[in-house]
Amino acid sequence: DIVMTQSPDSLAVSLGERATINCKSSQSVLYSSNNKNYLAWYQQKAGQPPKLIIKWASTRESGVPDRFSGSGSGTDFTLTINSLQAEDVAVYYCQQYYSSYSFGQGTNLEI
Amino acid sequence: QVQLQESGPGLVKPSETLSLTCTVSGGSFTSHSWSWVRQSPGKGLEWIGHISYSGSTNYNPSLKSRVTISLDTSESQFSLTLSSVTAADAAVYYCARMIVGVTKPYYFDSWGQGTLVTVSS
Repeated sequence: DIVMTQSPDSLAVSLGERATINCKSSQSVLYSSNNKNYLAWYQQKAGQPPKLIIKWASTRESGVPDRFSGSGSGTDFTLTINSLQAEDVAVYYCQQYYSSYSFGQGTNLEI
Repeated sequence: QVQLQESGPGLVKPSETLSLTCTVSGGSFTSHSWSWVRQSPGKGLEWIGHISYSGSTNYNPSLKSRVTISLDTSESQFSLTLSSVTAADAAVYYCARMIVGVTKPYYFDSWGQGTLVTVSS
């Protein structure tokens, strides 16, 4: 099983500043035949289901603001939120779909 | 835009079977897989299993012996049954749509609002 570990568990960032969330997988999620990282990021606001924001480690889902960006490859990934807005308060999860499906434990982002 | 809605009992007795249904509207079954994911305070988000439009299933090995996911394309629904439930199965259960690639489903691009299931006698 691939274990996903996020850091930090909780993060407080001022409005307009940058938030950085890390995700590490216990084994590589880079598929060599297509050079794609099988990793997604989700945003979950209070009382709502998760919402897909990033797929393939760095591709923003349609309609997601460009202040959200994903990077990384292999086992180490980062979600960056630039110019943090109040509506970005949420819990963020990474998820691998390389082998079965597993999620990180979540990072609680606060203002 | 696709919408998913979970339905089913919110309270299940220990050792009994949990049954939930997801109704899909505004989208087609044929080009996606359909999944159940649960979320509990203790275990976070956990993939339970999924079913393709052709009816083939894939389950989380940790739950496989107790899980069945079925599809009713005529009603635009898919269902989850989880047998022999315990307190550890208490969670918010989400149904979700999966984007399908050449060889397998990938990520979850649309989710239902979730339904809370409590396990208690």
